[in-house]
Amino acid sequence: GAGVSQTPSNKVTEKGKYVELRCDPISGHTALYWYRQSLGQGPEFLIYFQGTGAADDSGLPNDRFFAVRPEGSVSTLKIQRTERGDSAVYLCASSLHLNTEAFFGQGTRLTVV
Amino acid sequence: RKEVEQDPGPFNVPEGATVAFNCTYSNSASQSFFWYRQDCRKEPKLLMSVYSSGNEDGRFTAQLNRASQYISLLIRDSKLSDSATYLCVVNRDDKIIFGKGTRLHILP
Repeated sequence: GAGVSQTPSNKVTEKGKYVELRCDPISGHTALYWYRQSLGQGPEFLIYFQGTGAADDSGLPNDRFFAVRPEGSVSTLKIQRTERGDSAVYLCASSLHLNTEAFFGQGTRLTVV
Repeated sequence: RKEVEQDPGPFNVPEGATVAFNCTYSNSASQSFFWYRQDCRKEPKLLMSVYSSGNEDGRFTAQLNRASQYISLLIRDSKLSDSATYLCVVNRDDKIIFGKGTRLHILP
């Protein structure tokens, strides 16, 4: 399939550990977004990439969260010293350009125990 | 105040009825607007874009009121398969901002 792919689909980690979540956007899409969604809530914006650069990282909750997109395609969301409050579904989306339809991956369900 | 606000519902509606819900946004610089649908434990998917002139796609009608800063979604002849959470989405600059969603349950 040519959709947005996220791996892993599920991740259980212990409090204090480091995790990496991967997103493969649709080929050719320049815009890539990360969101976090808790139960009963809408997706919460974390960071937006236009090409390789983070155009807006204002949604990252604190400095334990970091994301990269070194070649303008695959992106990795990195969470250091995980806390139980980080448990959520992390969604990645890509779009051809800004203001066009965003396509979502199926998300990574992160559980911190 | 949240940038995008929606009534969380749930809206419990009998099959075949018409249902409408609104969404308000606070930033007048918002540039484009969408309704997304999200099924339980699934990712959001685009339902329809919302244009200033209003637009229709089958049983679904979306409208935008820039002066009052709200968008609406109308579903006619509702089906059981319409049960989902409907997310109001606003694009502003480099961000896509989601509302919390409105839960819709269509009752047989």
